[in-house]
Amino acid sequence: DAGVIQSPRHEVTEMGQEVTLRCKPISGHNSLFWYRQTMMRGLELLIYFNNNVPIDDSGMPEDRFSAKMPNASFSTLKIQPSEPRDSAVYFCASSPDSVDNEQFFGPGTRLTVL
Amino acid sequence: SQQGEEDPQALSIQEGENATMNCSYKTSINNLQWYRQNSGRGLVHLILIRSNEREKHSGRLRVTLDTSKKSSSLLITASRAADTASYFCATARRGNQGGKLIFGQGTELSVKP
Repeated sequence: DAGVIQSPRHEVTEMGQEVTLRCKPISGHNSLFWYRQTMMRGLELLIYFNNNVPIDDSGMPEDRFSAKMPNASFSTLKIQPSEPRDSAVYFCASSPDSVDNEQFFGPGTRLTVL
Repeated sequence: SQQGEEDPQALSIQEGENATMNCSYKTSINNLQWYRQNSGRGLVHLILIRSNEREKHSGRLRVTLDTSKKSSSLLITASRAADTASYFCATARRGNQGGKLIFGQGTELSVKP
């Protein structure tokens, strides 16, 4: 298995532009998580899905952020409009439906908003 | 609110020495997990200890769990320069849905050759 796949790996954009981050979880995993990591705030859980249904989006910073999971093999995190304070590394992780819920992380997308 | 908190925030040791990192949490848990993150990479799962376990080993890693004190420790024995990374504890709360984990702020370990 290729593991969790994220694209793009790096994104540089200007303030006000729309940004879409993509994630393909490990096949067979039922849960998908989006995290944001910065030096100041550490690793923050933004939203997670179970069987393609959003379970907890309380970590989504504001209405500019939205996430979808149209099917079991694909999820997007969209920021519209983007702001410089959104600059961070965004990780996607997936987890099988098990008692232990170990998470498998993707390589991350480094977002820079100028 | 932050569930897991690690200390120290940073640790610098010589190759061959042991490294100990601690994690404290606040609520009842199903399990506690330790992850490692190399600079610029995603987190990688290292080891999991369940709430009814007190100690677990995996290679050079030893994890302990004290549910009465709501704390855990990760010991890396005979450290190597390649162990240089950030280490995070994460807790799975009792009754959580969908496998949500709460991560701590991490301990940055530097192993000097």
